[in-house]
Amino acid sequence: DAMVIQNPRYQVTQFGKPVTLSCSQTLNHNVMYWYQQKSSQAPKLLFHYYDKDFNNEADTPDNFQSRRPNTSFCFLDIRSPGLGDAAMYLCATTETGFMNTEAFFGQGTRLTVV
Amino acid sequence: AQSVAQPEDQVNVAEGNPLTVKCTYSVSGNPYLFWYVQYPNRGLQFLLKYITGDNLVKGSYGFEAEFNKSQTSFHLKKPSALVSDSALYFCAVRDSNYQLIWGAGTKLIIKP
Repeated sequence: DAMVIQNPRYQVTQFGKPVTLSCSQTLNHNVMYWYQQKSSQAPKLLFHYYDKDFNNEADTPDNFQSRRPNTSFCFLDIRSPGLGDAAMYLCATTETGFMNTEAFFGQGTRLTVV
Repeated sequence: AQSVAQPEDQVNVAEGNPLTVKCTYSVSGNPYLFWYVQYPNRGLQFLLKYITGDNLVKGSYGFEAEFNKSQTSFHLKKPSALVSDSALYFCAVRDSNYQLIWGAGTKLIIKP
């Protein structure tokens, strides 16, 4: 009964070749997040959706894009991956507008750039 | 500015001994505090949270955390550590924009 599902778990892509990571959720949460995590560091927020409203973090590179076609699905597109983009990418969801609710995370996608 | 500090990069504990993973925070207003655990090559799993009320919060896998307002701390504890508790632990606080502010993480190593 997985609630936030990320596919694939492991992704190898070539330098400069576009890649898409996917996330789906069965929780019907309004908010979905994409985080980048490197080398056991704290997750770094890339962007989030509040329903269809897209919110980009100021320091997220333009190389990273996202789509949310419906409540259940969210995609992370990396247009031209560089070696520095190799990381774990985490998708998470929360309920709308509640300060006291926890975030639910997927298992992550480990991206390798060769 | 709101922030979370985990002062220890790594904590080593012998199996069966009590463990503590430290977290201090700085927020304006009421703090909403969370602990998450991450096993290798996995996503983050929610352990427990403090919203209001009792300062001792009980969570998953036998973990608990003590909220101390005067010391602005929210330390994670467990009375008797298991080898399987070895993982990376993150403390987080929710800011006024509903985003999570993360600590740097503490690697917990439980030795048999």
